[in-house]
Amino acid sequence: NAGVTQTPKFQVLKTGQSMTLQCAQDMNHEYMSWYRQDPGMGLRLIHYSVGAGITDQGEVPNGYNVSRSTTEDFPLRLLSAAPSQTSVYFCASSSSGGAKETQYFGPGTRLLVL
Amino acid sequence: GDSVTQMEGPVTLSEEAFLTINCTYTATGYPSLFWYVQYPGEGLQLLLKATKADDKGSNKGFEATYRKETTSFHLEKGSVQVSDSAVYFCALLPLTGTASKLTFGTGTRLQVTL
Repeated sequence: NAGVTQTPKFQVLKTGQSMTLQCAQDMNHEYMSWYRQDPGMGLRLIHYSVGAGITDQGEVPNGYNVSRSTTEDFPLRLLSAAPSQTSVYFCASSSSGGAKETQYFGPGTRLLVL
Repeated sequence: GDSVTQMEGPVTLSEEAFLTINCTYTATGYPSLFWYVQYPGEGLQLLLKATKADDKGSNKGFEATYRKETTSFHLEKGSVQVSDSAVYFCALLPLTGTASKLTFGTGTRLQVTL
């Protein structure tokens, strides 16, 4: 049981390049989310999914796309990278909705956009 | 909207000192409250949680009590260790929300020295 895994761990991009951050979980969780972590701002929700085929926007969705074709995977796509997207990205999952659920986080992807 | 306010860091303590990290929140109704910890180079891990007023969450010697009257969820530990050095995040989940939509505070860095 690997929990939540993310790849790559670190990536450098040039402005305008595109890339996909991978996230996978092996806990059969329905709910998955992407957050970005910036200094002094805590974690902010980018996109989330309540199940395969269902996604929705979070607090800071601009410049990012997601899809959820399987329960296990929830990739985050940067369509045209900008320096403002330099951040640490965390994927999280939980078994179901509700106020008592615990989210499990991946180790993060550190992204630098030049 | 919902928000979480944490005390500014960094907090520097000597080993065996008493720790308090303040957290207050603004939310509609009675959210669930969480403390997450992020050790250097790692993702976030759930430290403790409380899902209703007057509940006390506890784990690894850390405690926090859900105070509805003061809208607070302060983190305490009686005797910190060097291994407790990390960033601590307070977070809330609305009662009517989904597990994917946590609202985080900005985090408080704790540094424990010998």
